[in-house]
Amino acid sequence: DGGITQSPKYLFRKEGQNVTLSCEQNLNHDAMYWYRQDPGQGLRLIYYSQIVNDFQKGDIAEGYSVSREKKESFPLTVTSAQKNPTAFYLCASTTRLVGGLGVKPQHFGDGTRLSIL
Amino acid sequence: KNQVEQSPQSLIILEGKNCTLQCNYTVSPFSNLRWYKQDTGRGPVSLTIMTFSENTKSNGRYTATLDADTKQSSLHITASQLSDSASYICVVALIYNQGGKLIFGQGTELSVKP
Repeated sequence: DGGITQSPKYLFRKEGQNVTLSCEQNLNHDAMYWYRQDPGQGLRLIYYSQIVNDFQKGDIAEGYSVSREKKESFPLTVTSAQKNPTAFYLCASTTRLVGGLGVKPQHFGDGTRLSIL
Repeated sequence: KNQVEQSPQSLIILEGKNCTLQCNYTVSPFSNLRWYKQDTGRGPVSLTIMTFSENTKSNGRYTATLDADTKQSSLHITASQLSDSASYICVVALIYNQGGKLIFGQGTELSVKP
């Protein structure tokens, strides 16, 4: 079955450490997204990518970095510059549409919960 | 400021009962409105997507309505089941040159009790 796989499910970060969250999809989607979910708040966009080797900052990109070397993969690195990284991180993908998101749903992975040690 | 507000914040109902969740938005330029269901510890799953020209859309026991004039949407759940216990998220998509942009509500936490 096609879908999005996020790993690991739980991750712990030490002070000053960078950690990388994995996101892989086999839906043949061009567009991929990273969101952060905090209790009582709506999802917030960190980064998104419309095509391989291209990505754009979202609303809360500071302290995060991404790469898009393959269509199937969109890893997120939480750097030591991100002072409050504890959150639930969600990766999503969808068909790329010129002119906007259109009416195609985003498909989400099951998230990675990141905590500070 | 683009915002999506959902009410109530949480809701408890008995199995078999109906319920309605509300979503008000101040988003422009509006493209479409989506409802997602998110089980605890899982990613959101799409229930419905409506453009401004659609005022109702169903997905099984879930029926979403949209009033683009008043910028309000509702999600009605009929004959609730224990498996309906989840967070329901209202999301509005903006018309955007590249990539699109989604504004997420904070969700309504629904608990269905036996």
